[in-house]
Amino acid sequence: AQSVTQLDSHVSVSEGTPVLLRCNYSSSYSPSLFWYVQHPNKGLQLLLKYTSAATLVKGINGFEAEFKKSETSFHLTKPSAHMSDAAEYFCVVSDNRGGMDTGRRALTFGSGTRLQVQP
Amino acid sequence: GAVVSQHPSWVICKSGTSVKIECRSLDFQATTMFWYRQFPKQSLMLMATSNEGSKATYEQGVEKDKFLINHASLTLSTLTVTSAHPEDSSFYICSASGGLAGVNEQFFGPGTRLTVL
Repeated sequence: AQSVTQLDSHVSVSEGTPVLLRCNYSSSYSPSLFWYVQHPNKGLQLLLKYTSAATLVKGINGFEAEFKKSETSFHLTKPSAHMSDAAEYFCVVSDNRGGMDTGRRALTFGSGTRLQVQP
Repeated sequence: GAVVSQHPSWVICKSGTSVKIECRSLDFQATTMFWYRQFPKQSLMLMATSNEGSKATYEQGVEKDKFLINHASLTLSTLTVTSAHPEDSSFYICSASGGLAGVNEQFFGPGTRLTVL
């Protein structure tokens, strides 16, 4: 079984300040972890993914996340928030059961964190 | 990245009618497609997984006779909500993977908002 907990349902930051969106996961197998962003009326966009390579993962738009197995965490960070970053962010886990290609595995989504960026 | 489209983007129907939602992979062959639903201010919940040419695998609690999924080709999957009721109103999102584009990633469609009156 796998699960994801996003610790904050809502985060508000000022433009130009750092962003931290927290995520903890649980997985019976070696997990793959993802962060997706959902803008209103747009499809989910992949920000970054961890699939057992480097533990510090760099994604698009200046986001990065660090996989910490000992803490079962995969927090998303960005040094400086931009107004366009305001959106809903989902932490997602899939497990490596059966050695299936990552793209074919079922994904389990966290409850989401709404990021608000103040001018 | 690979592009997935959904049609329609929104639909309103009367209670008791059936609604079909299409999910298409536009520039890659999708061997696997997933259907999710998202209630307002909630997360995405996986409904079913379909592999091209095979019957869909439904998640626990999802009625297979109510949510009919067909994945007859490598670029098209359809979700039909049969005898829709107001509680079926939701945001339905598909994702697709396959080929070189989708070995390690699912690509998501923009979603279909269903409102049942």
